[in-house]
This record gives sequence, structure tokens and C-alpha cells, in this order.
Amino acid sequence: DAGITQSPRHKVTETGTPVTLRCHQTENHRYMYWYRQDPGHGLRLIHYSYGVKDTDKGEVSDGYSVSRSKTEDFLLTLESATSSQTSVYFCAISESTLRKDTQYFGPGTRLTVL
Amino acid sequence: SQQGEEDPQALSIQEGENATMNCSYKTSINNLQWYRQNSGRGLVHLILIRSNEREKHSGRLRVTLDTSKKSSSLLITASRAADTASYFCATGGDTGANSKLTFGKGITLSVRP
Repeated sequence: DAGITQSPRHKVTETGTPVTLRCHQTENHRYMYWYRQDPGHGLRLIHYSYGVKDTDKGEVSDGYSVSRSKTEDFLLTLESATSSQTSVYFCAISESTLRKDTQYFGPGTRLTVL
Repeated sequence: SQQGEEDPQALSIQEGENATMNCSYKTSINNLQWYRQNSGRGLVHLILIRSNEREKHSGRLRVTLDTSKKSSSLLITASRAADTASYFCATGGDTGANSKLTFGKGITLSVRP
């Protein structure tokens, strides 16, 4: 497995509470991504980072923010969680330009918002 | 919007048989990739084929790409029970450095022992 960990692996929270998910890599890859996976929708890109402090929005970024202060860590924050954000969240990394390169995925975080 | 669309949505075969999965897409691409996901796990990259390639092999996997039909197929030969998983195609965009890798909804493959 690529050196990618996600924490927590499971979380149950209540509507309106803030939630932060962490992705940590030991590969020193430049690009990091956050996806959500939902039945019937496949994987959808939330946000991605192309370097420290360099981030951009993906397909479903509303309600999410990200930060990357170090190469190895990429944080996903739900400022005020809603039930529609119940999902499995995957972090991924790639060495070079996101569209051209293989992506390596973390084990996922299952988030339930009650 | 989804770029890659896999077909069929679900496939059930006997161990030893070949499994063929298809992916169609709509716009021009730089590359097409296939990933596997075992239940409860993250995605694992299987193979990448670039837009100027027509066929690629990796072990028991064979991928073809037809850019004129905007389609790809993944063939798994001599399937095993351990091949049971979901398979996703993903397309890498052709316009701009920050074009995204877009995933399809996946195919569920069941291999019966």
C-alpha cells in the first residue's frame, strides 16, 4: 500500500457540528485529493491540492474547505455538517499532474451525520 | 458530470471464465485508467492507457482503447474468486494542466468459486 493514512476511519457526528478529516502521506507526492463516494454517484472530487498552500475546488466543493500547510498533510473540513454529507471520504495522492498520473488511495473515512 | 460510464453495472461469472467490462466517455482524453475496489477498501490502480495507445497488457489484464468510438474495455482472463470487486474507469482530461481525473460509477464483478 502507498503510504497514505486517513483519520479518523469512522466518525458519527450531529448536524451542525464542525468535522475535520485528516490525510497523511509519507510519499512526498505533490498532488493530494479529497473524494467522496456515494451509491449511484461513484467517486466525486471535492477539492485538490497541487502544493503547500495551493488548493482548488473540485466537482462538489460546496460545504467543504481544505488546508495544506505541509506536504504530507491535507485536511478536509466540514464547517457545519449536514446529513447530505454522510458519505465515505477518500484521500488520494499522485506524483505529477493530476490528469496524467496514477492516483493512490487511502483506506477511507466513513462519516455519518445524524 | 460523469465522464466515464461503465457497462454492465454488474457482472457475475464462474471462476476460470473471462470477464469483460466496458467504459464509454464523451470528450477527448489524455489517458484512461482502470481501478479496482475491494469491499470496504480504497481504490487500487490497475492499468493506464494513453490516448495514443490501442492496447495494453498487465498480467491477466488486457485493456483496449478506441478513441474513435470513445470507448475502452477491460478484460480479465481466467478469473479467480479474489477478482471479486468493483471496477472503475477514470478518464484524464485533455485540456489544461489541471484537468481532472473523472471516475465512472463502477462495475460490480462477482466471481463464483
